[in-house]
Amino acid sequence: EDQVTQSPEALRLQEGESSSLNCSYTVSGLRGLFWYRQDPGKGPEFLFTLYSAGEEKEKERLKATLTKKESFLHITAPKPEDSATYLCAVQATGGGSYIPTFGRGTSLIVHP
Amino acid sequence: DAGVIQSPRHEVTEMGQEVTLRCKPISGHNSLFWYRQTMMRGLELLIYFNNNVPIDDSGMPEDRFSAKMPNASFSTLKIQPSEPRDSAVYFCASSWGANSPLHFGNGTRLTVT
Repeated sequence: EDQVTQSPEALRLQEGESSSLNCSYTVSGLRGLFWYRQDPGKGPEFLFTLYSAGEEKEKERLKATLTKKESFLHITAPKPEDSATYLCAVQATGGGSYIPTFGRGTSLIVHP
Repeated sequence: DAGVIQSPRHEVTEMGQEVTLRCKPISGHNSLFWYRQTMMRGLELLIYFNNNVPIDDSGMPEDRFSAKMPNASFSTLKIQPSEPRDSAVYFCASSWGANSPLHFGNGTRLTVT
């Protein structure tokens, strides 16, 4: 069974204090790993897709990296507007199914 | 594009009543997903449609839940009869093709009293 574990569950940072969120996964084969941002009262919003170990993607203050067992979402010099829940999802190969499995998320609060 | 549109945004109903949630996916997307989100269990897949055909409904809790997709631009999730443990936020998402990210609606917050 595919498993996705995110840590920490919650993270509080001061503005400008860089940190990383972790997504560990167990799948028979990885088709893709996705990062989403979810604001209160909204649906998850797509950020990045990573397909193979060693791949990196960047967007503003966010950088996502991927190894064979985990992905990191690095947040550099965060601002209060980066406060949100960040979700990781994996899509496995095999079976012809394209259903992503989501982790429980990391709730990030950035204080001014 | 208006994105994935869900209605209603909020639904409060009494135990035993029928509830129908609606979703309009993004035009051109061929995959549609219904998820349920709770604090305890996070995002759980309920059912997945591809080209309007249900492919995986293993996440549907029990016979009280049913979903339909009569055409490429509309889907419904029905709960009959509803129970307090069904209280959650229900999300609809659509995507195009394999490896494509999901585009989510803003959800329906269901409260069953």
